[in-house]
Amino acid sequence: DTGVSQNPRHKITKRGQNVTFRCDPISEHNRLYWYRQTLGQGPEFLTYFQNEAQLEKSRLLSDRFSAERPKGSFSTLEIQRTEQGDSAMYLCASSLERRGNTEAFFGQGTRLTVV
Amino acid sequence: QKEVEQDPGPLSVPEGAIVSLNCTYSNSAFQYFMWYRQYSRKGPELLMYTYSSGNKEDGRFTAQVDKSSKYISLFIRDSQPSDSATYLCAMSGVTTDSWGKLQFGAGTQVVVTP
Repeated sequence: DTGVSQNPRHKITKRGQNVTFRCDPISEHNRLYWYRQTLGQGPEFLTYFQNEAQLEKSRLLSDRFSAERPKGSFSTLEIQRTEQGDSAMYLCASSLERRGNTEAFFGQGTRLTVV
Repeated sequence: QKEVEQDPGPLSVPEGAIVSLNCTYSNSAFQYFMWYRQYSRKGPELLMYTYSSGNKEDGRFTAQVDKSSKYISLFIRDSQPSDSATYLCAMSGVTTDSWGKLQFGAGTQVVVTP
């Protein structure tokens, strides 16, 4: 499978626990994005990387959230001290940055449930 | 007010009918427009991608962009039950930092009945 891969697909955690998600982008893509989607809403932008550099973070990304992309390959999104409001689908997307190209391809997402 | 508005539906049509979907937006900086299809509990799948104003056709799908009215549309001809899904519009600007940083509508749920 040469698409965007996300693991795990589902995660159930107790409030206050830390969780980490992984995203493997399409191999030649240098941009990687994280989005969050709640029920009945479209995805909301969280943060993005160009290669290993994190270039922007949304206001939605509180201090409990941290994302990394070591060596510009896969990325991880960690949520510390999870809250029930963090329950959502976390989506990763990747694209090849070049002028005129904004085609972003999404993974299947990680569904987080905080109980 | 959200930058991108999309009627959540549900929109129910009989098999074979034309499905008509649309979004309005307020940010005139948007230049790239996309439609994604999302099945339940799956990630969004890119269907159509257009730049600036005009029409684009791909098989049963036609995307239209009217920048003067800040209005985009997606038409699905000869709809099939397998087209039942949520359709998301998305858009982005032309600056280097905005490419790929998409602003989505809430999605319209479409149900095609046999």
